Amino acid sequence: EDKVVQSPLSLVVHEGDTVTLNCSYEVTNFRSLLWYKQEKKAPTFLFMLTSSGIEKKSGRLSSILDKKELFSILNITATQTGDSAIYLCAVDGTSYGKLTFGQGTILTVHP
Amino acid sequence: GAGVSQSPSNKVTEKGKDVELRCDPISGHTALYWYRQSLGQGLEFLIYFQGNSAPDKSGLPSDRFSAERTGGSVSTLTIQRTQQEDSAVYLCASSQRQGPNTGELFFGEGSRLTVL
Repeated sequence: EDKVVQSPLSLVVHEGDTVTLNCSYEVTNFRSLLWYKQEKKAPTFLFMLTSSGIEKKSGRLSSILDKKELFSILNITATQTGDSAIYLCAVDGTSYGKLTFGQGTILTVHP
Repeated sequence: GAGVSQSPSNKVTEKGKDVELRCDPISGHTALYWYRQSLGQGLEFLIYFQGNSAPDKSGLPSDRFSAERTGGSVSTLTIQRTQQEDSAVYLCASSQRQGPNTGELFFGEGSRLTVL
């Protein structure tokens, strides 16, 4: 059974800080790792990673995958209050056809 | 609409009643998923439909839970004899699955179920 563990479970920072969110996984047949942002209701897609060492970047957000050590990180630089959300990591792996999600990291950014 | 549509957005029911939650996926998406999110938790997989194939029901927590997808489009998740532990947000997602990769899921805004 695929397993995804995120850390920290919650994080409180001030605007302008840089944060790093972690996601480790155990899968038998890895295909991809995905990051989602959930503000109030629907999770929205951020990144999909399939190859080690290749950084994906979108504005102040970036992510990288290490398939040898079985983890990914999501970095947010110069955080803003609008970054406050739950960040979800998911793996497309052994369980064909569905994503296995971690428990999420609750990020709170104070002004 | 352009996105995944779910209804009702909120449902309060009494313990023991049956509830139906509806999901209308993005037009043309062949794959449809139901996930459950309890307070402060990640997403728990429930069931997955892919085209005309038999659904993957491996995540349904008990036989009180069932789902169907009619005409390869709209899906209904039914919970019979609801219990308080069924209280959660039920999220539906769809994708245009290609090949072996699950790919990006597009989520609806969820149906918040509260069982009193």
